[in-house]
Amino acid sequence: NAGVTQTPKFRILKIGQSMTLQCTQDMNHNYMYWYRQDPGMGLKLIYYSVGAGITDKGEVPNGYNVSRSTTEDFPLRLELAAPSQTSVYFCASSSNEDTGELFFGEGSRLTVL
Amino acid sequence: QKEVEQNSGPLSVPEGAIASLNCTYSDRGSQSFFWYRQYSGKSPELIMFIYSNGDKEDGRFTAQLNKASQYVSLLIRDSQPSDSATYLCAVSQGGKLIFGQGTELSVKP
Repeated sequence: NAGVTQTPKFRILKIGQSMTLQCTQDMNHNYMYWYRQDPGMGLKLIYYSVGAGITDKGEVPNGYNVSRSTTEDFPLRLELAAPSQTSVYFCASSSNEDTGELFFGEGSRLTVL
Repeated sequence: QKEVEQNSGPLSVPEGAIASLNCTYSDRGSQSFFWYRQYSGKSPELIMFIYSNGDKEDGRFTAQLNKASQYVSLLIRDSQPSDSATYLCAVSQGGKLIFGQGTELSVKP
């Protein structure tokens, strides 16, 4: 039972490069989220989606883009990497907005140099 | 004002003591509140949720909610070294969860 799968687990980028963080869930959840976590800090919501074809900005969307073409996949795109985007990124999914039980992936550690 | 605020700690308690973790939130319309635990280098996991004013108990954990004061807390009784982790308070707002910055708890044997 895979749950939420994120790739890659680690990545080093140069300033100005682009990349996509992949996220796939096999639980048929409608809700999906991308968070970032800086050292010693909580989770900041980047983007979220309530279903295929629907996305919305979270607390810190600048510098990122997302798409949700299927229920399973929710990739996060960084177009022009900046050192401020160095962080651990977590993808999560949920079946119900009210329960608040998010199922998290293992995280992707991104360093921008 | 931050939407969800916690004391960052670290909070250190001896084994067997009660650990008290606190959280305040700014949106009076919030209805659902959650506590997540995150071990170092791992993903967060849900340990408690509470929707109504008052206390909710689950084993050694008790969540307390006071909507009038916009305050939610987590008590851990008989703290164990395995409880050492960062505890994240989260509030549901219109289909998304907003997290506090987390409180690091250290339980000393």
